[in-house]
Amino acid sequence: EAQVTQNPRYLITVTGKKLTVTCSQNMNHEYMSWYRQDPGLGLRQIYYSMNVEVTDKGDVPEGYKVSRKEKRNFPLILESPSPNQTSLYFCASSLTGLMTDGGYTFGSGTRLTVV
Amino acid sequence: QKEVEQNSGPLSVPEGAIASLNCTYSDRGSQSFFWYRQYSGKSPELIMSIYSNGDKEDGRFTAQLNKASQYVSLLIRDSQPSDSATYLCAVNLGYNNNDMRFGAGTRLTVKP
Repeated sequence: EAQVTQNPRYLITVTGKKLTVTCSQNMNHEYMSWYRQDPGLGLRQIYYSMNVEVTDKGDVPEGYKVSRKEKRNFPLILESPSPNQTSLYFCASSLTGLMTDGGYTFGSGTRLTVV
Repeated sequence: QKEVEQNSGPLSVPEGAIASLNCTYSDRGSQSFFWYRQYSGKSPELIMSIYSNGDKEDGRFTAQLNKASQYVSLLIRDSQPSDSATYLCAVNLGYNNNDMRFGAGTRLTVKP
């Protein structure tokens, strides 16, 4: 089954403790992206990647890191999480990311709480 | 001004009625437009894409695009309680083909 897999689904952590949220897709998609979703603000892009070893900042990159060493994986790293990073996170992918691509496939989401 | 604006709702319609969801966008260069459905606690799911002015129909769903008015809408005919969800409008801003912006979503409730 074609899908984007995120782990974990739920995570409660303490301020300052480094964490990684994994994202993997099995569709051979070149484009992958991370979003956070907050009430009233909608989906905001954190980072995206056009292909292996190519990453770029989205609208809200502060406090996050990403890497794209393999085509299928795009982990999101929070080096020193803070309470304002409490949010619902989604990984998304598409074939190329270009406007005619037909939209994104989203992972099932990770609800992160930083206390 | 937000780049993609939607009425947050909630929008409530009776079962069997037509639900009309609206979205406006700020960038005239935008080229591609999408509607996603998101059930509570779930991930967004693509339901429609539209690239040209006019209407595009897919089953009970019709997307309408008017680039001159910078307006895109989604009509749901014969609304069902299972259509109750938040609907997200997404716009690819065009000056960067990777630049997809989402509205905050409209919450739709279909009452039996």
